[in-house]
Amino acid sequence: DQQVKQNSPSLSVQEGRISILNCDYTNSMFDYFLWYKKYPAEGPTFLISISSIKDKNEDGRFTVFLNKSAKHLSLHIVPSQPGDSAVYFCAATGRGANSKLTFGKGITLSVRP
Amino acid sequence: AAGVIQSPRHLIKEKRETATLKCYPIPRHDTVYWYQQGPGQDPQFLISFYEKMQSDKGSIPDRFSAQQFSDYHSELNMSSLELGDSALYFCASSLGTGPGPYGYTFGSGTRLTVV
Repeated sequence: DQQVKQNSPSLSVQEGRISILNCDYTNSMFDYFLWYKKYPAEGPTFLISISSIKDKNEDGRFTVFLNKSAKHLSLHIVPSQPGDSAVYFCAATGRGANSKLTFGKGITLSVRP
Repeated sequence: AAGVIQSPRHLIKEKRETATLKCYPIPRHDTVYWYQQGPGQDPQFLISFYEKMQSDKGSIPDRFSAQQFSDYHSELNMSSLELGDSALYFCASSLGTGPGPYGYTFGSGTRLTVV
């Protein structure tokens, strides 16, 4: 049972435009959400996170939106750059210390010059 | 800044052999997590340690074992290797309170190929 779902396997956008990456979750115990960027043969790199007490968190070109009632979050990248081309994983964790992450299957973003 | 160090980066083993993967967390991080990512798959949680004690267990086969040492580095021991164990193995570390404000950083991974 996939508790974190990234239903679109890939996304292609033009450089300078907005990239919107979506993520849905089913476990209501999740209360902290993270986005990771991953290049082939490298470890995931933390991008941005959001706590369940917020509905928006912004860091430079990256903004994450959380809709708790819909169990949905999205990552917006504006403006998209060719260097953003990578696999993006949505991850979630519950309360308490030492919480493991549950990952989605990832989405491959391609930004065309 | 120091990151999470994993060794080796690449490992090739034959079926039924054993393998040991090492993870050195960020200094002062006391929690280590192991994940397995198969080809085309999302990372799957295997096991975690906090202050040298197992803190959580995921889909780790009985053929695998792990421990965290007094210097907080961790080793994942894999025996009776099978072809299906071929994957990228990631280690992550955090300060005990988890991935919230204190961060949760991944190493570059060890690519294990079983032939």
